[in-house]
Formats: sequence, structure tokens, C-alpha cells
Amino acid sequence: GAGVSQTPSNKVTEKGKYVELRCDPISGHTALYWYRQSLGQGPEFLIYFQGTGAADDSGLPNDRFFAVRPEGSVSTLKIQRTERGDSAVYLCASSLDSRTGELFFGEGSRLTVL
Amino acid sequence: DAKTTQPTSMDCAEGRAANLPCNHSTISGNEYVYWYRQIHSQGPQYIIHGLKNNETNEMASLIITEDRKSSTLILPHATLRDTAVYYCIVRAYDMRFGAGTRLTVKP
Repeated sequence: GAGVSQTPSNKVTEKGKYVELRCDPISGHTALYWYRQSLGQGPEFLIYFQGTGAADDSGLPNDRFFAVRPEGSVSTLKIQRTERGDSAVYLCASSLDSRTGELFFGEGSRLTVL
Repeated sequence: DAKTTQPTSMDCAEGRAANLPCNHSTISGNEYVYWYRQIHSQGPQYIIHGLKNNETNEMASLIITEDRKSSTLILPHATLRDTAVYYCIVRAYDMRFGAGTRLTVKP
């Protein structure tokens, strides 16, 4: 596709459930970033990948959050035992490289935990 | 990464230049200055970036001080559609956003 694609666009789940959010980056982009954004706040960095490896996962809030990018393209953000505080918009971005390339963002996945 | 400081909010009259300041006094030599903006409910949009020299593109100009401790984003002729939150970021590899400046362009 022409841009970064994120699915689902909206996800409503119950507290304690497991959730997966998918990001399909722009073809050829080696760097991929995950952020989450709560209302009125700036995007909060979670993790970024260079290729298949997580180059920096220091933004993941706790061990309930995990992300993979097994083939260096599509990435999945996984959240276990969801809590109401996990409700936010989860943004994915990709970049040609992690040094100087501009980030292209998807439209986000809005997660609501009831 | 170095931290940035931006004013919380600013107003600008339509048609006038909007000058958005950013302080990044702890910036390292290999860190770029990036500007993004976010219009309500959309993903952030890239505006411009630079290392040392001033930069200009079709959207804006970026003025970086000689000591690189601060920069200014200039929107030369602000329109109502430029109302957004503007983020200044210094970047080596990852990209961390702060709270940004909420710019309101008024008729």
C-alpha cells in the first residue's frame, strides 16, 4: 500500500483480555516505531525496530506489552491482561532508516478497555 | 536523546507568520532537529528537519541557532488549517515526542 496501515482501527475489549494490534509499514522501510497516545497528550514512545530486531524497547510500560517484527516488515503489538489504563490510540510509524528518515504515521488503532 | 522545551500554546492571526520556538540546550552533535504537527485525531505529520543549517521546504522554514541550542519553526503565511499541535524533537535514532505547542490560527 501507499501508506502505513494499522488494523484494527477500533478495538473494544474487556479488562483482562489479550489484544493484538497490527502495523503494515511502507514497503522498503527498515525502521518501525510504536507509540501510544492518550487524550491531550503527545505520542508516547514504546518501541522501535530496525529490521527484525527491537533496537530500543525502553518505552514499553511493563511486561504485559510485547512487540514483534519477525520478517522485518509487518509488526504486531501484543498486550496481555489488558487494563483500563491501556485505553489509548496506538500509533505506528515507519521510516526508510532510523537515522535521518522522516516518520510516516498510520491512522492509529483506538483501543478501549472496559 | 536531548529534551526539548516548547511553549504550551500560541495564537497567530491568519495570513501572518507563525514563529514557533524550541529550546534543546542539551542537543548532541549527531542529533537532528525534527518538527512534526498533529491535527486533531490524525497521526503526526512530518514538516521539516535539519542538523546545522537553516532549511526551507514548501511547508515551512527551520532556523537553527549557531550553537544548536534552540530552533524556530516558521510558517510564513499561517492559515486556519495550520491550527494543530506542533512538536519539536531532537533525534539520534529513536523519536520521542514531548507535549508540543498548540498553535491556534485565528481569522
